[in-house]
Amino acid sequence: AQSVTQPDIHITVSEGASLELRCNYSYGATPYLFWYVQSPGQGLQLLLKYFSGDTLVQGIKGFEAEFKRSQSSFNLRKPSVHWSDAAEYFCAVGYNNNDMRFGAGTRLTVKP
Amino acid sequence: GAVVSQHPSRVICKSGTSVKIECRSLDFQATTMFWYRQFPKQSLMLMATSNEGSKATYEQGVEKDKFLINHASLTLSTLTVTSAHPEDSSFYICSARGRTGGTKNIQYFGAGTRLSVL
Repeated sequence: AQSVTQPDIHITVSEGASLELRCNYSYGATPYLFWYVQSPGQGLQLLLKYFSGDTLVQGIKGFEAEFKRSQSSFNLRKPSVHWSDAAEYFCAVGYNNNDMRFGAGTRLTVKP
Repeated sequence: GAVVSQHPSRVICKSGTSVKIECRSLDFQATTMFWYRQFPKQSLMLMATSNEGSKATYEQGVEKDKFLINHASLTLSTLTVTSAHPEDSSFYICSARGRTGGTKNIQYFGAGTRLSVL
C-alpha cells in the first residue's frame, strides 16, 4: 500500500543549528515528492518539490531536500534554522498525477 | 507563484445552519480542486476531489449529502456544510491544481477556514 512516513512527530532545535526532517515513502515507482510548511491556523505553503532530474532540490526560505531512491526517502534540510521556521512540516507524495498522500507532519520548535 | 484564496477564514454558526466556503484560484485555471479536513495536531484528511464541470469524488466515509461540493468554473469551488453540527467543527482547507506549466502536478493551498458550530 502507498504510504508516507514522517518518523519524528516533534523536533526541537536551537536557532542557528542545522535541521533535518525525515520522510520515507512506499511506492512501486518514483512518485512526485513535496514538502509543505504550515504555520498555526494557516494553509500549507509549498517549500519545494521533486519530479525528476537532480536529486538535490532547492526550495524557498533556504530549505533543500534530497531524493534517495535506494532509501525511498526525501529528507528536508536547512543549514541554519531561524526562529521564524517554527511550524508544522508535511511531506507529501503524489501518485500518478491524481492522488496525494500526506505524512503525519513534524512539528518544529526553535529554541532561542 | 500560484495563489489560492479561501474565504471565509473563520466562521461561527449555530447548529442546524448551513455554511458555504469558497476556494478560488486567483492566477491560474484550476482543473482540479481538493477539499481537506484537518483535526488539531493532525495531518490533512482528503474529503473530496472535484474536477471542473463534474461531480465531486468523495473519499470513503465522507457524507456527500452533508458536504456539498460545487466546481462550476475553472477558478471557483465551493464546499457547503449542510445542517452543521458541533462535530463538524474543524479546520477545512482547499487546494487547487492546474493543468499547465508550474501549476501542473502541484497542489496549491488556501489559507484554510476555521469552522465552529455552536
